[in-house]
Amino acid sequence: DAMVIQNPRYQVTQFGKPVTLSCSQTLNHNVMYWYQQKSSQAPKLLFHYYDKDFNNEADTPDNFQSRRPNTSFCFLDIRSPGLGDAAMYLCATSREAGQVYEQYFGPGTRLTVT
Amino acid sequence: GDSVTQMEGPVTLSEEAFLTINCTYTATGYPSLFWYVQYPGEGLQLLLKATKADDKGSNKGFEATYRKETTSFHLEKGSVQVSDSAVYFCALSDRIQGAQKLVFGQGTRLTINP
Repeated sequence: DAMVIQNPRYQVTQFGKPVTLSCSQTLNHNVMYWYQQKSSQAPKLLFHYYDKDFNNEADTPDNFQSRRPNTSFCFLDIRSPGLGDAAMYLCATSREAGQVYEQYFGPGTRLTVT
Repeated sequence: GDSVTQMEGPVTLSEEAFLTINCTYTATGYPSLFWYVQYPGEGLQLLLKATKADDKGSNKGFEATYRKETTSFHLEKGSVQVSDSAVYFCALSDRIQGAQKLVFGQGTRLTINP
């Protein structure tokens, strides 16, 4: 089945130690998104790639970076995680062609910062 | 900016009860509207959507109608099941750099008791 895969499902990192979360998709969608969801809150968009074009939300901290080496893969890098970065990180994809298409979400990676 | 307001939770019902989760939005223009569902430990799944005024989205017994005059998109189900227990998010889509930004409500946790 075509899907959005996130690895790992659970990640523990130390305060200030860089961490990378990965997302892959078999849907061949041209847009990939990263959302941050803190406990009992709504997901919040961090940034998205439209093909190779990176688009950052205005309030996304500089500590968060992303890479998309090809259509299928997208990475979220947190350069110096703080305790406040502990959250579920959701990757989503969509096919954009001038109409409204749904976003397909992966299962998420739960990040713990110790 | 655009925003979504959802009915406060948590909501607890008995099996076979009628469900309504209220959702209202504020937006410039005419966004598409969505309901997403999140089961414990999982990512978000699209439940239903509506792309223009008076459209009704439906899926798995759930329904919601896009009401422009009241800026609402209330979720309803005639007879809930234990398996419907989850967190439900209302969202609108906003066009950004050729893609879509989902703006979510705060989520409503639903628990169905047998």
